[in-house]
Amino acid sequence: DAMVIQNPRYQVTQFGKPVTLSCSQTLNHNVMYWYQQKSSQAPKLLFHYYDKDFNNEADTPDNFQSRRPNTSFCFLDIRSPGLGDAAMYLCATSKVFGAGGDTQYFGPGTRLTVL
Amino acid sequence: DQQVKQNSPSLSVQEGRISILNCDYTNSMFDYFLWYKKYPAEGPTFLISISSIKDKNEDGRFTVFLNKSAKHLSLHIVPSQPGDSAVYFCATRFLSGTYKYIFGTGTRLKVLA
Repeated sequence: DAMVIQNPRYQVTQFGKPVTLSCSQTLNHNVMYWYQQKSSQAPKLLFHYYDKDFNNEADTPDNFQSRRPNTSFCFLDIRSPGLGDAAMYLCATSKVFGAGGDTQYFGPGTRLTVL
Repeated sequence: DQQVKQNSPSLSVQEGRISILNCDYTNSMFDYFLWYKKYPAEGPTFLISISSIKDKNEDGRFTVFLNKSAKHLSLHIVPSQPGDSAVYFCATRFLSGTYKYIFGTGTRLKVLA
C-alpha cells in the first residue's frame, strides 16, 4: 500500500541534543509537510517542501530545520531541543499545494520526549 | 487572528443516532474547509471537504454544512457507528500571500454500542 512512514515512532532526546526525525512516502507526491502537535492543541504547520523548494512558516523557530534529499524522503532536524519542543511531529504529503488535489496524507507521527 | 475553533473537546453518542461535530472560524476570508478523522496511533485521514461556494456537501453517512454568515461549519454523521469513534479535526486552507493551513484542536467522538 502506498503510504507515509515516519521513523522512529517514539524518540527520546536530551535537552540541547540535536535530533532528526524521518519521513518517507511511496505516494510520489510533490509536497511534503511537517506539523507540530502539542498535547490537546491543534496540529501546527512548521514548513513544507514543494519539490525542492522549501517554505518556512513565519513563526517557525530557527531551531527547526528540514531537508528533502529526494522526492521520497524528508527530515526534520531540531538543532537544540528544549523542553517546549516535546510534541507529536506529523509528516504529511500531497500531490499539489494549495489547490484541488492538495488533500494531505499523514503519517502516524513521531512522539518526541525531551529530558 | 486566524483561528479555527472546536469548542467541544469530546462528544458521546449512541450507536445509530446522529453525531454533530461543530467548528467555528474567525476569518471570513477562509474559503475551503476540511474534516480529518484520527484513530489512536495513526495519522489524520481526510474525510470530507467543502468550498465556501457551497453550503452543504455529502458523502455517504457524512455531511458537512457551512454557514458563512455565522462562520460556522458542522459535520453530521448519520447513523453513527462504533467504528466512527475517533478524534475529528476541522481545518481550513486559505490564501494569504501563500496558502495557509490551520487546524482546530479536535473533538473526540465516542459512539456507544
